[in-house]
Amino acid sequence: ETGVTQSPTHLIKTRGQQVTLRCSSQSGHNTVSWYQQALGQGPQFIFQYYREEENGRGNFPPRFSGLQFPNYSSELNVNALELDDSALYLCASSPRDTRFYGYTFGSGTRLTVV
Amino acid sequence: QKEVEQNSGPLSVPEGAIASLNCTYSDRGSQSFFWYRQYSGKSPELIMSIYSNGDKEDGRFTAQLNKASQYVSLLIRDSQPSDSATYLCAVLSGANNLFFGTGTRLTVIP
Repeated sequence: ETGVTQSPTHLIKTRGQQVTLRCSSQSGHNTVSWYQQALGQGPQFIFQYYREEENGRGNFPPRFSGLQFPNYSSELNVNALELDDSALYLCASSPRDTRFYGYTFGSGTRLTVV
Repeated sequence: QKEVEQNSGPLSVPEGAIASLNCTYSDRGSQSFFWYRQYSGKSPELIMSIYSNGDKEDGRFTAQLNKASQYVSLLIRDSQPSDSATYLCAVLSGANNLFFGTGTRLTVIP
């Protein structure tokens, strides 16, 4: 059983640029959630995807967008990067009924905006 | 965003002692609660889940839930230096979205 994989592991971008982060969900998981974790903070919920549709969104502006593909993998896109977007971006997958299983996290993508 | 509150610590306990971590949440409709451990530079790792009022034990870990008080706790017995990490409380909303607290940093002193 493969776990959640994210790519790339590290990324440096310039303010104003756009970035795409990728995530492959764990086998058997059909729901993918994205989180932003700033240094010293807990993960902040960005959005969740189920059956290729957004299913819940946190307090993030529209320049944060996402996709889910038929194989349940997902992308997070961030446009017009700002310095404050520098953070660890975590992808988590789960079965649809998360009540008993929680989420499984990938190892994250460390994004630095300069 | 659903509110999940934790004491950010740091919390220091001697090796062999009991570490007690606390969490409160605002969404009274929440049904499932999770504790994650996060080592520095790593991603969160699920260590406990609880859905019913009362205690749930798994090895050295005990999760406690009181829905009336909207309170969740985690006890770590016989604390080891390897338990030194940040512990994140997470609450599942009715929309199946998981919200996290800011985490409590635990240091176990040998």
